[in-house]
Amino acid sequence: TQLLEQSPQFLSIQEGENLTVYCNSSSVFSSLQWYRQEPGEGPVLLVTVVTGGEVKKLKRLTFQFGDARKDSSLHITAAQTGDTGLYLCAGGPSNSGYALNFGKGTSLLVTP
Amino acid sequence: DTAVSQTPKYLVTQMGNDKSIKCEQNLGHDTMYWYKQDSKKFLKIMFSYNNKELIINETVPNRFSPKSPDKAHLNLHINSLELGDSAVYFCASSQDGGSGNTIYFGEGSWLTVV
Repeated sequence: TQLLEQSPQFLSIQEGENLTVYCNSSSVFSSLQWYRQEPGEGPVLLVTVVTGGEVKKLKRLTFQFGDARKDSSLHITAAQTGDTGLYLCAGGPSNSGYALNFGKGTSLLVTP
Repeated sequence: DTAVSQTPKYLVTQMGNDKSIKCEQNLGHDTMYWYKQDSKKFLKIMFSYNNKELIINETVPNRFSPKSPDKAHLNLHINSLELGDSAVYFCASSQDGGSGNTIYFGEGSWLTVV
C-alpha cells in the first residue's frame, strides 16, 4: 500500500485568509486526486492531476502536482465559510489502475 | 436521481449480530467499491469489484462478505459484528478501475455496534 501523508491534519482560520494543504508520499503516482467531504456526506471530487508539475485552478482553489509526481498541494485563496470540510488526497499507483489510496485528510474550519 | 445510493443510512445493532448494507449505482459504471471511514476520518479501501468480479480484497476480516449480483449492485454483509466494526461505510463507483477515474461516493452508512 502506497501511503499518502497529509498536513496539516487540522486547520482553523478566519474568512479571507489563505491556506495551503499538502499531500506527500515516497511513491510515484500516475495521477492524484483531491476530494472534499462535508459532514454527513461522501467525498466529492474536486480535481485530478496527472502530469508532473501540473497546476490546475478551480475558482479560488489552486492544485499543484509535484514534478516527480510524489506530492501535491492545494492552495485556497481568501477562504470562505463554505470551504469548511475535510480535504482528502487520493493517489493512483504508478504501474496499474485504481486510485485507491487516500490520505488521512485535512479538516478545515473557516470561521466568519 | 442519486448516482450511488446505499441503505440503510444509519444502523445500530448489538455485538454478534449479522447485518447487510445495500448499494446501487445508476451511472452505468463497471467498477464498484466499499470503503470504511473510521472515527479519525481515515478512508480505507475494503473491496473493489469490476463487472461483478472481485478485484481487490484488502486485509479485511472474512466476517465481511461482499456480493455483486450485477454490475450495478454491490452489497456488504457483515457477520458476528464487533465493537470495532463501528464506522461509516461508503459505497462508491467509477467508470472502470483506471487510475484517474472519478470515484463517486454514496452518502455513507453509519454503523454503530453496541
